Amino acid sequence: EPEVTQTPSHQVTQMGQEVILRCVPISNHLYFYWYRQILGQKVEFLVSFYNNEISEKSEIFDDQFSVERPDGSNFTLKIRSTKLEDSAMYFCASSVRDGGESGGYTFGSGTRLTVV
Amino acid sequence: QKEVEQNSGPLSVPEGAIASLNCTYSDRGSQSFFWYRQYSGKSPELIMSIYSNGDKEDGRFTAQLNKASQYVSLLIRDSQPSDSATYLCAAPGGNTDKLIFGTGTRLQVFP
Repeated sequence: EPEVTQTPSHQVTQMGQEVILRCVPISNHLYFYWYRQILGQKVEFLVSFYNNEISEKSEIFDDQFSVERPDGSNFTLKIRSTKLEDSAMYFCASSVRDGGESGGYTFGSGTRLTVV
Repeated sequence: QKEVEQNSGPLSVPEGAIASLNCTYSDRGSQSFFWYRQYSGKSPELIMSIYSNGDKEDGRFTAQLNKASQYVSLLIRDSQPSDSATYLCAAPGGNTDKLIFGTGTRLQVFP
């Protein structure tokens, strides 16, 4: 069964450093998402991406965050200057069609980001 | 602010019993609802979606939707210890392609 692949599985970084989280969505999917989950809390929407541009972003997704699909297969989330409160599990997801309508997200296994 | 509310639990049921998980949502315009299962330290996994009032069955799982009451539930029949997980309810965030998740209900099935 096709999978969404995320790397690395765990990233430890110092506060103020830049991190890039990588995702390879399922090949025929068109909609891409990043969500995060702080330990013990809700899964929170960060950003959606379609047709090579951001279609929506949340209040969490401020100027420190950016997304890119550099080569038609990878989908990356960059945090420019990490803060302690960025420590969370970050999930990439993809879907064939509008995920909010179909709910047919496939989530990756996640990257646990720890900012120290 | 659109909200999806769940009782955080834990809900403890014996093996073989029916587990009933509940969810309410604030956006009366929501048309679709989803149940995800999340094992500890793992990513959410879609187990059920429902779009119409009434019941939808898939194996041991039944989703129930009542749009008038803004209420959606998930029944798990013949609960197994392997069903022990956190169950997340989700609904679309209005006219967008994002999902809003509830906090999840932790289910414990004991032998």
